[in-house]
Amino acid sequence: EVQLVQSGGEVKKPGGSLKISCKASGYSFTTYWIGWVRQMPGKGLEWMGMIFPGDSDIRYSPSFQGQVTISADKSINTAYLQWSSLKASDTAIYYCARQEGTLAGKVAFDIWGQGTMVTISS
Amino acid sequence: DIQMTQSPSSLSASVGDRVSITCRASQSISNYLNWYQQKRGKAPNLLIYAASSLQNGVPSRFSGSGSGTDFTLTISGLQPEDFAVYYCQQSYTTPYTFGPGTKVDI
Repeated sequence: EVQLVQSGGEVKKPGGSLKISCKASGYSFTTYWIGWVRQMPGKGLEWMGMIFPGDSDIRYSPSFQGQVTISADKSINTAYLQWSSLKASDTAIYYCARQEGTLAGKVAFDIWGQGTMVTISS
Repeated sequence: DIQMTQSPSSLSASVGDRVSITCRASQSISNYLNWYQQKRGKAPNLLIYAASSLQNGVPSRFSGSGSGTDFTLTISGLQPEDFAVYYCQQSYTTPYTFGPGTKVDI
């Protein structure tokens, strides 16, 4: 079964650091993009960026560039999203999702993780 | 960034109704337009990709149309399980922006 399993919810203080994960199984991890999507409480979906684990090509949304770091470890089929200095406004659910291609094929998120709730509070 | 708008922002309908949601891009995106359904407390689910291609496992009552800047998601014969929020997304160029969503009440 193709699936993405995300790490569990986190509660952190402002200024702290955090790294959440997304483990892929059931398909070739290095031949699909993994994207990250933010959903703030009661709000819509925001595209943050994506990584191609095969060659570590990374694309960021300008809104998130410099605010987060996307990475992947292809030896363990896992993608990551990390923060070095958290803010209360980072409180949200973060989803990872799989995408086939960027110019051809299914340029859409066809498999989603269950989401990771991140709460930043003093 | 390409801006995506959706209309209406919410709608109420009855079981069996035909429902249409419109999505508009701020510039031409060819057919790089996807539709997702999100139920309360769940991750989004891909319904339609490339404007009109039905994702595997999605009921045939869902259909998509359009190209360029104007797109439509149609639900033919609304079912109780279709109560959800629907988002469009352009995948023409990064950042792959989402629309603000349309809430469908049954």
